[in-house]
Amino acid sequence: GDSVTQMEGPVTLSEEAFLTINCTYTATGYPSLFWYVQYPGEGLQLLLKATKADDKGSNKGFEATYRKETTSFHLEKGSVQVSDSAVYFCALSGNQFYFGTGTSLTVIP
Amino acid sequence: NAGVTQTPKFQVLKTGQSMTLQCAQDMNHEYMSWYRQDPGMGLRLIHYSVGAGITDQGEVPNGYNVSRSTTEDFPLRLLSAAPSQTSVYFCASSKVGQGVDSPLHFGNGTRLTVT
Repeated sequence: GDSVTQMEGPVTLSEEAFLTINCTYTATGYPSLFWYVQYPGEGLQLLLKATKADDKGSNKGFEATYRKETTSFHLEKGSVQVSDSAVYFCALSGNQFYFGTGTSLTVIP
Repeated sequence: NAGVTQTPKFQVLKTGQSMTLQCAQDMNHEYMSWYRQDPGMGLRLIHYSVGAGITDQGEVPNGYNVSRSTTEDFPLRLLSAAPSQTSVYFCASSKVGQGVDSPLHFGNGTRLTVT
């Protein structure tokens, strides 16, 4: 069945560091891929999405590229800020939405 | 612009009590769903609906009931609460049904504790 495997956390970075959170997926067919962000005490918010192979989703300095050959959708940001501290979820939409277990990111000044 | 509204935000129940978690959306979304979020387990789908009058089970449906009498509302009922149901519950909706690229829109969650 469809599934998402996400890099374990927690991740702690200094401000302005480079961020990568790995995400790989298993799916039949051609799913859409998403990254969601959850700030403390809130629900999940869509961060970015990609709907087909080689698409790049981007938002707020975050990027992820849909790689069909490696079944990956890694999240990257060139320079993180304290305000990026949150939990990040990778997800795919196949016959249902499938979520990874989440990666907690803390950015320290 | 309310989006997805969940009530209550917090609830404490005793084992065996029943309650209903409310979820309403004002975006005319056909698809609505309930997830529970537990540490280290991500989000697990409880029940979902692709339209009024249609519901189906997700990954962890036992102990929960749902109904969908209108497009806007999708309540989740706990029939006899158990400590294993202590969790954070999220309602989510999207524009169309399964297998498409419309993203899910989430409510802010209900934190439930069962003692």
